[in-house]
Order: sequence, then C-alpha cells, then structure tokens
Amino acid sequence: DTGVSQDPRHKITKRGQNVTFRCDPISEHNRLYWYRQTLGQGPEFLTYFQNEAQLEKSRLLSDRFSAERPKGSFSTLEIQRTEQGDSAMYLCASSTLGQVIYEQFFGPGTRLTVL
Amino acid sequence: SQKIEQNSEALNIQEGKTATLTCNYTNYSPAYLQWYRQDPGRGPVFLLLIRENEKEKRKERLKVTFDTTLKQSLFHITASQPADSATYLCASSNTGKLIFGQGTTLQVKP
Repeated sequence: DTGVSQDPRHKITKRGQNVTFRCDPISEHNRLYWYRQTLGQGPEFLTYFQNEAQLEKSRLLSDRFSAERPKGSFSTLEIQRTEQGDSAMYLCASSTLGQVIYEQFFGPGTRLTVL
Repeated sequence: SQKIEQNSEALNIQEGKTATLTCNYTNYSPAYLQWYRQDPGRGPVFLLLIRENEKEKRKERLKVTFDTTLKQSLFHITASQPADSATYLCASSNTGKLIFGQGTTLQVKP
C-alpha cells in the first residue's frame, strides 16, 4: 500500500495523559500536514512540514501540542496533558512540492477520545 | 480572518439529477480552490482543483466553477448515483495548507 498511513487508528486516554500519533506519508512527498476534525466540521489546519522543517503552525495550536518530522519521512504529533476538548479525529496528509499547488493525500486519521 | 463557508444543511436529491454544492469565501482571495469527498470515518479524498484564473474544470461527471467576482465556487455532480452520497468539502489554498469549509452532506436517493 503506497498511501498515507496513520497509527494508531483509535486512541482512548484519560485526561491529563500524554499521547503520540504517527504518520507515514507517501514516500516521495516532501510536504506533510496535520489537521484536526471534530464532528460536523471540516478539517482544521494544525501544522505542516517541508522535508524536516516545520514551516507553519496554527495560532490555535496550544503549546501542549508538538510535532516533529526528524528525517523528513514519518512525522509524530504529541499532545501533552490531554483535555476533553482535544477529542477529535487527527488527520495527516502529504503532497508534492512544486511550482503549483498540488492536491493533498489524506490518511485514515487517528480518532482520539479523552475521558 | 480567512473564511470558507458551505451550506451546512444536507442536500437530498433523486438519483439521476444534478447535485450542485456551493462554497463561498470571505476576507481573502485564494489562488486555488479544491474539492474533496469524505466518507464517514475516513480521510478526505481529492476530487478537483481549480485555479483563480480558470472559470471551469471538468472531470467525468464532476464540474467545478470559480467566480472571483461572486467569491464563490460551485461543484456539480451530473447524473448522480447513490454511491455519490458523502460529505463534500471545499478548501482554499495559497501557500500549501488548506482552509476547509464545514462540508455539505449529499444524499442521493434511488
């Protein structure tokens, strides 16, 4: 399978715990994006990488959230001290970098439930 | 702030008819608009992209328009089928990140 993969698919945690999600993009894609989606809403941008450089981070992203892409391949998103409001679907996407904007390929998402 | 709005009410149509979904943007001028399909519990899947200097784009039964005067994009599915039932997301992009609307759910009845 050459699509975007995410792990785990589901995560249930208690408030206050830390969680980490992983995303493996399509191998030749140098851009990687993280979005968050709640029920009935469209995905909301969190952050994105070009190779290993984090180029933009949403102002909505609190300092409890951190993302890395250490070797320009897979990425991790960590949420520290989770809150119930963090419950959402976390989506990862990847795309090619070029002179024009290309479509993004999304993974299946990680559904987080904070109790 | 940049905003993308879609009709949040579900659209119900009969099989064979044309579905038309609306996307409006305010407070900025996106260089590109993209349309995605999302099925329950899955990630969005890309359908079409249109640039600001393009009026219309087609792909099989799909057509998208981009009206920079009205600040609006229309997405059409002709000869709709029950398998087209899904949520359709409009998204704008200038630099790479996507700003999504809330999506419109389409239900095609046989």
